[in-house]
Amino acid sequence: EVHLVQSGAEVKKPGESLKISCKVSGYTFTTYSIAWVRQIPGKGLECLGIIYPGDSEARYSPSSQGQVTISADTSSSTAFLHWSSLKASDTALYYCARVALRGSSSWFPPDYWGQGTLVTVSS
Amino acid sequence: DIQMTQSPSSVSASVGDRVTITCRASQDISNWSAWFQQKAGKAPKLLIYAASSLESGIPSRFSGNGSGTEFTLTINSLQPEDFATYYCQQGNTFPLTFGGGTKVEIK
Repeated sequence: EVHLVQSGAEVKKPGESLKISCKVSGYTFTTYSIAWVRQIPGKGLECLGIIYPGDSEARYSPSSQGQVTISADTSSSTAFLHWSSLKASDTALYYCARVALRGSSSWFPPDYWGQGTLVTVSS
Repeated sequence: DIQMTQSPSSVSASVGDRVTITCRASQDISNWSAWFQQKAGKAPKLLIYAASSLESGIPSRFSGNGSGTEFTLTINSLQPEDFATYYCQQGNTFPLTFGGGTKVEIK
């Protein structure tokens, strides 16, 4: 059975760094991509980026480029989302989700999701 | 980015009603739309992919239709467990984008 288990909630101050994780099981980590999706409480969903653990290639949405770093560790089947300097506006619920590329540029929708990690950034 | 515009933003309905939600893409996405259900405190759950294909385990009262730029999600005979927020999503082009959501509330 496929599972994506995310790290726990975090409370940080502006300017601090943070790395949250998403550990997968139930399938071969390197055969699917992982998307990171942000949800501000009470608001909609925004895809920040996608990483393919098979070659560690990550691509970012225009709004997240330069703001976050997505990485993956194949030895532990874990994907990561990293901030070097948090802002109050990063306060949100972050989900990881499994996605698959179709062809050269289209994507199957996320079919399995983590439980979410709440990140609160406040002075 | 491709914009996905959902309507209505909320709808009040009763158990047994039929509900239809519409999503419009800002450009042609062929049939690369999907629909998700999200309940409070839970991750989104995939209902429909490729515009009209029902995800495994999803009840047949959920159906999707459309192509190009116009897509619909229909819930036939609304059940108590269907009261939730629904999102459309496009996968035609990166970045993946979602509609703003439609909250289905109890009348």
